[in-house]
Amino acid sequence: NAGVTQTPKFRILKIGQSMTLQCTQDMNHNYMYWYRQDPGMGLKLIYYSVGAGITDKGEVPNGYNVSRSTTEDFPLRLELAAPSQTSVYFCASSLQVGGLYNEQFFGPGTRLTVL
Amino acid sequence: ELKVEQNPLFLSMQEGKNYTIYCNYSTTSDRLYWYRQDPGKSLESLFVLLSNGAVKQEGRLMASLDTKARLSTLHITAAVHDLSATYFCAVSTQPFDRGSTLGRLYFGRGTQLTVWP
Repeated sequence: NAGVTQTPKFRILKIGQSMTLQCTQDMNHNYMYWYRQDPGMGLKLIYYSVGAGITDKGEVPNGYNVSRSTTEDFPLRLELAAPSQTSVYFCASSLQVGGLYNEQFFGPGTRLTVL
Repeated sequence: ELKVEQNPLFLSMQEGKNYTIYCNYSTTSDRLYWYRQDPGKSLESLFVLLSNGAVKQEGRLMASLDTKARLSTLHITAAVHDLSATYFCAVSTQPFDRGSTLGRLYFGRGTQLTVWP
């Protein structure tokens, strides 16, 4: 299994440009998440999905959009890039195991710079 | 909003020494997670602590959970250079909406550990 994969690894955007960060998992996990990590900080939840067709906002959703048309894929869209969106973005997934706990598996991250 | 505080944020220690990282959280939770992150890499799950008094050990790392004190500790025994990394604790909340039984995770800021010879 490849686990959680993300593309691209690095990207530089100009202010106002748009892009989509791709995330795919092959573990048949039903839950998927997007986080951002700013320097010296913990991860903050942007959006999450509990299954195909179901998405919801996390802690810092402004400036982002998501969709979940399949179990495997959970792309994150930035419509009008701003310098405040410069960060490292992590996608994660987890499997509901009888509701006991939520151990999340993370992708390698996308380092985004907006200039 | 649930707040998670780790201390220290930076830890520099000599090989062979012992030390403890602390993770305090602000509201009731009985699910706590420890992750490791190497520079420029993703997060790797270390421990999942599911109940009060839970203790887990892997090699030189031991994690424990006291839900009454809202405190988890990550104890490092006889540190080696390979343990140099950033360690995050995360706490889960009550379930997401839409009938989910799992809660979102709130992360601390991380403890950057450097082990030197």
